Amino acid sequence: DGGITQSPKYLFRKEGQNVTLSCEQNLNHDAMYWYRQDPGQGLRLIYYSQIVNDFQKGDIAEGYSVSREKKESFPLTVTSAQKNPTAFYLCASSIAGHELSFGLYGYTFGSGTRLTVV
Amino acid sequence: QQPVQSPQAVILREGEDAVINCSSSKALYSVHWYRQKHGEAPVFLMILLKGGEQKGHEKISASFNEKKQQSSLYLTASQLSYSGTYFCGTEEPNTGNQFYFGTGTSLTVIP
Repeated sequence: DGGITQSPKYLFRKEGQNVTLSCEQNLNHDAMYWYRQDPGQGLRLIYYSQIVNDFQKGDIAEGYSVSREKKESFPLTVTSAQKNPTAFYLCASSIAGHELSFGLYGYTFGSGTRLTVV
Repeated sequence: QQPVQSPQAVILREGEDAVINCSSSKALYSVHWYRQKHGEAPVFLMILLKGGEQKGHEKISASFNEKKQQSSLYLTASQLSYSGTYFCGTEEPNTGNQFYFGTGTSLTVIP
């Protein structure tokens, strides 16, 4: 079955460490996204990519980095510059719609990674 | 611009109805609705694109008002399985594909 796989499900980070969250999809979707979810704040966009080798910052990109070397993969690195990284991270993908909307057909989400700083 | 959802939380008994609202200060290109169970990924319910559009999925339906600034999600004859957090996601035209999720509405259905 097609879908999005995020790993690991739980991740613990020490102060000053960089960690990378994996996101892989086999839906043949062009667009991929990373969201951060904190209690009571909904989902906030970190980065998104509409095509391989190209990505754009979202609303809260500081302290994060991404790459899109393959259509199927969109890993997120949480760097030591991110001062409050404890959160639930969701990866999503969508069919690239027409030029006005890349969410035209809805987003498919992965099951998430819960990151905790220890 | 993040849409505003109301109410923030609602508790229902099985069989009761609920309405969740999603509002924007600007005209929207599209509205999505998602449901998220605790600790799980949000699941896409439906998308509305046209002012005046209404869609339904079993006993869950949604509308998008003519001015395209508000959408409502209707849950009728609620079931225990409807419990979760409901998010709307909105897209404004001519914003370079900017898409924002609301803060969510927690829905709890009790026996």
